[in-house]
Amino acid sequence: DGGITQSPKYLFRKEGQNVTLSCEQNLNHDAMYWYRQDPGQGLRLIYYSQIVNDFQKGDIAEGYSVSREKKESFPLTVTSAQKNPTAFYLCASSTNSGNQPQHFGDGTRLSIL
Amino acid sequence: RKEVEQDPGPFNVPEGATVAFNCTYSNSASQSFFWYRQDCRKEPKLLMSVYSSGNEDGRFTAQLNRASQYISLLIRDSKLSDSATYLCVVKGGSYIPTFGRGTSLIVHP
Repeated sequence: DGGITQSPKYLFRKEGQNVTLSCEQNLNHDAMYWYRQDPGQGLRLIYYSQIVNDFQKGDIAEGYSVSREKKESFPLTVTSAQKNPTAFYLCASSTNSGNQPQHFGDGTRLSIL
Repeated sequence: RKEVEQDPGPFNVPEGATVAFNCTYSNSASQSFFWYRQDCRKEPKLLMSVYSSGNEDGRFTAQLNRASQYISLLIRDSKLSDSATYLCVVKGGSYIPTFGRGTSLIVHP
């Protein structure tokens, strides 16, 4: 079955630590996205990539970094510079056609230890 | 003004009721529109795309009003399982989606 796989499902970060969230898709989608969702809030865009080896900052990129070395993979690193990382992180992918929707992975919950 | 606005609710309705949500958008160049459903602590899942002529999928009807810049979602014969948050999504020329904050629906017996 085609889909998007995020791992791990739950992650705990210590102070001063960088952590990396994995996102892999086998839908052959060109575009991939990372969102952050806080309790009771909407989705906020962290980074997106519309093609391999290229990515753009979203609305809240500070304290995060990404890479897009392969079409299938778009890992997100939450750096120690992100002072309030506790949230639900969602990865999505889509074709670059404007009328196609995004598909989401089932998310990673990140908490501070 | 926010790019995509939704009434957060909650909309509290009995089983069998008909309920409608609106979503307004500010960018008149927006081209694609979608409704997603998000259950508590889960990922959003596509409910339906919204087409210019309006479209229906079972008990769900979506409509687009470009002149007034809003889309709507109508749910007929509400089920307990319809309880969720409904997210409106709008795509403009950049094809980067903008999400509304969602409307909470609670269907009670």
